[in-house]
Amino acid sequence: KAGVTQTPRYLIKTRGQQVTLSCSPISGHRSVSWYQQTPGQGLQFLFEYFSETQRNKGNFPGRFSGRQFSNSRSEMNVSTLELGDSALYLCASSSGTTYNEQFFGPGTRLTVL
Amino acid sequence: GNSVTQMEGPVTLSEEAFLTINCTYTATGYPSLFWYVQYPGEGLQLLLKATKADDKGSNKGFEATYRKETTSFHLEKGSVQVSDSAVYFCALSDRFGNEKLTFGTGTRLTIIP
Repeated sequence: KAGVTQTPRYLIKTRGQQVTLSCSPISGHRSVSWYQQTPGQGLQFLFEYFSETQRNKGNFPGRFSGRQFSNSRSEMNVSTLELGDSALYLCASSSGTTYNEQFFGPGTRLTVL
Repeated sequence: GNSVTQMEGPVTLSEEAFLTINCTYTATGYPSLFWYVQYPGEGLQLLLKATKADDKGSNKGFEATYRKETTSFHLEKGSVQVSDSAVYFCALSDRFGNEKLTFGTGTRLTIIP
């Protein structure tokens, strides 16, 4: 079974731009969660989508948004990028019905200049 | 709110040494507890989990016991190998069906031959 895939793996943007990251979950998984990993703040939960609906949301500004498609693939968007948005963005998928066993992708490394 | 406090790193051990990484948590109700491992340049992999008090999670020689009375979930391994060098994260989710994970700060482990 293929794992969680994330594209692109690396991105360089400048302040003020926007960016879209993509995540394809494991086949059959209906839940997709997004996390931001930085050296200073560690791993922080952004949001979770289940069956195309946002089910949980972390404490991030409205510049961070996401969506999920009918095939469970998910995208997250960050508008008006700031230097502090530089991070590794991790996507995780799960069936949404077991004991929260989440499978993580390799991440997208975003650098904002 | 929920929180996870994890032993500060980095930790450096010799091969075949005994490993303990401490983890304590604060949560309402009965959380599920996890240890994740992150190898360089990769996403997180679930190492082990426990979903109720006194459960012991185990995998690849690693063990952790869910101690509700001390709100702890310490990671142990009897004999570490160089290949165990990685960053280890303790995490919790606060209820069944909630995909949001709250992570500790991570402990970088280096094993020297």
